[in-house]
Amino acid sequence: QVQLVESGGDVVQPGRSLRLSCAASGFTFSSYAMHWVRQAPGKGLEWVAVIWYDGTKEYYADSVKGRFTISRDNSKTTLYLQMNSLRAEDTAVYYCARDSGTICCRAYDSWGQGTLVTVSS
Amino acid sequence: EIVLTQSPDFQSVTPKEKVTITCRASQSIGSSLHWYQQKPDQSPKLLIKYASQSISGVPSRFSGSGSGTDFTLTINSLEAEDVAAYYCHQSSNLPYTFGQGTKLEIK
Repeated sequence: QVQLVESGGDVVQPGRSLRLSCAASGFTFSSYAMHWVRQAPGKGLEWVAVIWYDGTKEYYADSVKGRFTISRDNSKTTLYLQMNSLRAEDTAVYYCARDSGTICCRAYDSWGQGTLVTVSS
Repeated sequence: EIVLTQSPDFQSVTPKEKVTITCRASQSIGSSLHWYQQKPDQSPKLLIKYASQSISGVPSRFSGSGSGTDFTLTINSLEAEDVAAYYCHQSSNLPYTFGQGTKLEIK
């Protein structure tokens, strides 16, 4: 069955960097676009970034553009989110989610369990 | 940016009640509207895609309708296990956006 397992969440100081990973299994990872979605404590869902199935295109929310980079390694079936210049408002649970399409973008048909990032001094 | 506005924000409901949640888009998005359920301390789960398409494994009491700017999620005969937050999501235009959520509580 489809499995997405995020890791890398931590408590970090403002201005520092962090890299999240999402290990995928149970499906042909290289055939699907992938997303990061976040949820601040007690708040709703916010789309963060998407990457095409082959890594050729990436798009970002304005709130993270220029600071976050989404990438993937299809040989390792792993999705990444490099987060630089972290701010307090980046504090959230970060989910990776599988797009139900190859190119993008459709419904997100599988989600990981999430990893918590806390930005605090 | 397309803004999705859900109503209500919160609803207290009784078992077997019929529940309707609406989602209004700030501009037309065709049928590129999806619904998710998020139970407490769990990840979101896809309930309905493309406004009205059912998802394998999702109980038939969940249904969706609408197109353009106005969409509805209906839960027929609510069960206690349906206590959750429900979110609409548009995949028509970047940036992809979610509604603010509707939280259901059992009376």
